[in-house]
Amino acid sequence: AQSVTQPDIHITVSEGASLELRCNYSYGATPYLFWYVQSPGQGLQLLLKYFSGDTLVQGIKGFEAEFKRSQSSFNLRKPSVHWSDAAEYFCAVAPGGDKIIFGKGTRLHILP
Amino acid sequence: GAVVSQHPSWVICKSGTSVKIECRSLDFQATTMFWYRQFPKQSLMLMATSNEGSKATYEQGVEKDKFLINHASLTLSTLTVTSAHPEDSSFYICSATQGALGGNTIYFGEGSWLTVV
Repeated sequence: AQSVTQPDIHITVSEGASLELRCNYSYGATPYLFWYVQSPGQGLQLLLKYFSGDTLVQGIKGFEAEFKRSQSSFNLRKPSVHWSDAAEYFCAVAPGGDKIIFGKGTRLHILP
Repeated sequence: GAVVSQHPSWVICKSGTSVKIECRSLDFQATTMFWYRQFPKQSLMLMATSNEGSKATYEQGVEKDKFLINHASLTLSTLTVTSAHPEDSSFYICSATQGALGGNTIYFGEGSWLTVV
């Protein structure tokens, strides 16, 4: 079945440490790919997106993501996290380019 | 930049009543709007896709007679929860785009909290 999977429900990292959040999708063709962040009780903020071209995508707040076709993955990375990065992160795909489907999310906790 | 506004931000209604949530694109024409619901600590579930001037396309399992969606203009879509029940309490989020996702950015509203008592 077509899906987008975020295997980690929770991740805890120390402030200043590097971060990688995993995302895998299972669609026949390469869908449009997104990462969003949501603070508690708030709406969504787009971090970055991939439609085509360079497979390493730079986003806001120092985030980047790499599309790997062979692994059907679009993992989000940040070299050094800040306490303000604690939030819920959603990977999302637009398989047919006409609607966005979200993964279940990964809750990021930051240790001081 | 483009902004999508939802109103109300939060609403409490009595069980059995209907409640309307508005989604407006403030400085662009939204040919397509999407409605999501999000239960606490869960992901966003797409409810329906609405294109201006046509009937909404509902996702499997979403009751179209309960969740009425109207997209009468290029800047406004409304979601009406009819005969609301406590299990309809949720965070409802809309998003809007000017055209196909591949060439246009999709913008999300700040969400509307619905509590049915």
